[in-house]
Amino acid sequence: KAGVTQTPRYLIKTRGQQVTLSCSPISGHRSVSWYQQTPGQGLQFLFEYFSETQRNKGNFPGRFSGRQFSNSRSEMNVSTLELGDSALYLCASSNQGATGNTIYFGEGSWLTVV
Amino acid sequence: GESVGLHLPTLSVQEGDNSIINCAYSNSASDYFIWYKQESGKGPQFIIDIRSNMDKRQGQRVTVLLNKTVKHLSLQIAATQPGDSAVYFCAENYASGGSYIPTFGRGTSLIVHP
Repeated sequence: KAGVTQTPRYLIKTRGQQVTLSCSPISGHRSVSWYQQTPGQGLQFLFEYFSETQRNKGNFPGRFSGRQFSNSRSEMNVSTLELGDSALYLCASSNQGATGNTIYFGEGSWLTVV
Repeated sequence: GESVGLHLPTLSVQEGDNSIINCAYSNSASDYFIWYKQESGKGPQFIIDIRSNMDKRQGQRVTVLLNKTVKHLSLQIAATQPGDSAVYFCAENYASGGSYIPTFGRGTSLIVHP
């Protein structure tokens, strides 16, 4: 069974640009969540999607957005990039809801903003 | 490989020793807790979980202890091996919107010396 796949793995963007990251969940998983990981703040929850609907959201500005498609694949977008957005962006998928939350992470997309 | 685990607390042990990694959580509403392992250049990997109605749970070579009174979680790894070297962090989860919202600890870097 293929794991969570994230693309691209590495990218460099300039301040003010926008970026779109993609995530393909494990087959059969309907929940996809996104996280930002930095040395300063650690791992932080961005948002979670289930059946194309945002179910939960972390404390990030509106520049961070996401969506989920009918095949459960998900994208996240960051607009008007800032230097502080440089981070590892992780996607995770799960087939459980409030009964548990065993999530499976992808290997992440490394974003550098210059 | 890449790392986002700079300036983390470090635990150094000898191969074969038992390791104990600690985590304090803050939200009294959290009722589901997970330990993750993250190796350099990879996404976090689920190790073991525990619900708030339990105070101990055992897996293969790992045990998680939960003390709700002092909001403390620990991960015990028996007979630590060099392959256990990684960053370990806990996540407290509270139920929301049919799923869970996670808050992650900063992590502890475990170094196992052969």
